[in-house]
Amino acid sequence: GQQVMQIPQYQHVQEGEDFTTYCNSSTTLSNIQWYKQRPGGHPVFLIQLVKSGEVKKQKRLTFQFGEAKKNSSLHITATQTTDVGTYFCAGDTGRRALTFGSGTRLQVQP
Amino acid sequence: GAVVSQHPSWVICKSGTSVKIECRSLDFQATTMFWYRQFPKQSLMLMATSNEGSKATYEQGVEKDKFLINHASLTLSTLTVTSAHPEDSSFYICSARELVRDTRANYGYTFGSGTRLTVV
Repeated sequence: GQQVMQIPQYQHVQEGEDFTTYCNSSTTLSNIQWYKQRPGGHPVFLIQLVKSGEVKKQKRLTFQFGEAKKNSSLHITATQTTDVGTYFCAGDTGRRALTFGSGTRLQVQP
Repeated sequence: GAVVSQHPSWVICKSGTSVKIECRSLDFQATTMFWYRQFPKQSLMLMATSNEGSKATYEQGVEKDKFLINHASLTLSTLTVTSAHPEDSSFYICSARELVRDTRANYGYTFGSGTRLTVV
């Protein structure tokens, strides 16, 4: 079945440092979505990427979708303590429910 | 935007009893809902797809007789954990098929707030 791997599992940064998480799918995706889950909370939708090679920005967050539509990345510039949480990518093949990546837990040291 | 309400937020039950979790779409009709389970510090694992008016589709390894799903209306899906055991303790989250909008008119899924089940 479809698998979505995500690295790193955990990252601890100093406030102001950059952060990147990478996502790789075993199958080609129709789109990829990113979610943020705060400790004790539920996943909250951040963005969806659809086109091959697509790049989208949301303030300090930059999302990329690979040319082959099998990998993606999320980059946060100058992290803040409010960025703390687990970031999940989720692959959508267009045929069934989302397959979530393993997640990257971000800890930001003030 | 789309809102999915999930209740209860947390529940503690005795081993052997059953627990019902409700997931409601508040301002839209959800013909399809998804139920996920999440263990501490792990990812969300899809348990089943709930379709209004028909039987749910369960993922491999998920016992349909243990995790009963009912989607009797376009706004309500329920998950009942029957004869719960301590190993069923987990965070259960529903997600609606309907879509939410990001800032550039693309779409994602809406999640309920989750139910933390503890079986003692």
